[in-house]
Amino acid sequence: GQQVMQIPQYQHVQEGEDFTTYCNSSTTLSNIQWYKQRPGGHPVFLIQLVKSGEVKKQKRLTFQFGEAKKNSSLHITATQTTDVGTYFCAATPGSGGSNYKLTFGKGTLLTVNP
Amino acid sequence: KAGVTQTPRYLIKTRGQQVTLSCSPISGHRSVSWYQQTPGQGLQFLFEYFSETQRNKGNFPGRFSGRQFSNSRSEMNVSTLELGDSALYLCASSTDRVAYEQYFGPGTRLTVT
Repeated sequence: GQQVMQIPQYQHVQEGEDFTTYCNSSTTLSNIQWYKQRPGGHPVFLIQLVKSGEVKKQKRLTFQFGEAKKNSSLHITATQTTDVGTYFCAATPGSGGSNYKLTFGKGTLLTVNP
Repeated sequence: KAGVTQTPRYLIKTRGQQVTLSCSPISGHRSVSWYQQTPGQGLQFLFEYFSETQRNKGNFPGRFSGRQFSNSRSEMNVSTLELGDSALYLCASSTDRVAYEQYFGPGTRLTVT
């Protein structure tokens, strides 16, 4: 089945440093979504990317979808303690696949030292 | 709008027993998906329902089953529980299909002893 590889698994930063997590797939993706899960909480939707090469920004967060629609990244500028949590990418396969099955990456756990 | 609700929030069961978990989606949402979350395997897709029909199923044994009612509420059932079934079970709803943003419930923490 489809797999979405996400790296790194863990990232510890000092407050104010930048942070990036990456998702990669061996197959073309229809779209990719990003979620954040705070410790003890549930995943919360952040954004969805659909177009090849798409870049979207939410305040200090920048999301990119690769030109080949096989990879994506989430970059946080100047991290804050409120950014702590696990960031997941989730994808649906490209043409020929099912739109009814969302495959999640293993997530990147971000911790921030104040 | 009220969010996705799941009951019960916590559950302790013994090996061999069965369990039923319930999920009420956001009003107007017709797609309900179920996920199992464990520290080792992460978030794994169980199945997705739309208009009372299962549209897709993940790679889980037949002990895991689900259903959706006409009001879009969904239940999942796990029979003959094993220790490895201990996990956080998350339900998510969306307007149409999983390709759209998923709204997750708080989850049911199942512990099998």
